Amino acid sequence: DAKTTQPTSMDCAEGRAANLPCNHSTISGNEYVYWYRQIHSQGPQYIIHGLKNNETNEMASLIITEDRKSSTLILPHATLRDTAVYYCIVRVAGSSNTGKLIFGQGTTLQVKP
Amino acid sequence: DTGVSQNPRHKITKRGQNVTFRCDPISEHNRLYWYRQTLGQGPEFLTYFQNEAQLEKSRLLSDRFSAERPKGSFSTLEIQRTEQGDSAMYLCASSPRTSSTLLSYNSPLHFGNGTRLTVT
Repeated sequence: DAKTTQPTSMDCAEGRAANLPCNHSTISGNEYVYWYRQIHSQGPQYIIHGLKNNETNEMASLIITEDRKSSTLILPHATLRDTAVYYCIVRVAGSSNTGKLIFGQGTTLQVKP
Repeated sequence: DTGVSQNPRHKITKRGQNVTFRCDPISEHNRLYWYRQTLGQGPEFLTYFQNEAQLEKSRLLSDRFSAERPKGSFSTLEIQRTEQGDSAMYLCASSPRTSSTLLSYNSPLHFGNGTRLTVT
């Protein structure tokens, strides 16, 4: 399985953009990058995913480098409610195609007033 | 609320007892996953169902654990002879599968809020 590397923790000021990096240097050509977040005592929440093009939705933007070895999740205007653990995941490929997600430790983002 | 529903939200049991958790996936989602999460760690994959068929089991799923999904709708996860090391959050997720393999590969997993198990 391709693995990801994320910083353990990050701080961000409320109202500023939060930029969360992720390294996935062993990603394969047909593997997607997914981002989830988990707020305390809740299940993981899907944010966004992409293959090689940059993606944007109502929650965030995903910037993937041209070589696909790293990506950045951008929360444009962080609020206190964005405080959570953010997981960068490369989705497992294979003939079984179960679609399961393999989680790492994630980045704990603390948004401060 | 049409999200993934898990019951109970909390369960406290004594070591050696059996426990059963239930997961109701989003309607028409035929893929269902169980995960376990301990404090400070990311969720760990346990098992996967496509409709009623259990197609993958992690080696984390010991003989004391059994999961079922009769009729391809709700699922149950049973732990027999619980141990203190079983204390964790048990998460369920579901996703749709379409006729196109590529589209099904893209479908995000939708998680429930889990059942927190405490074994005393």
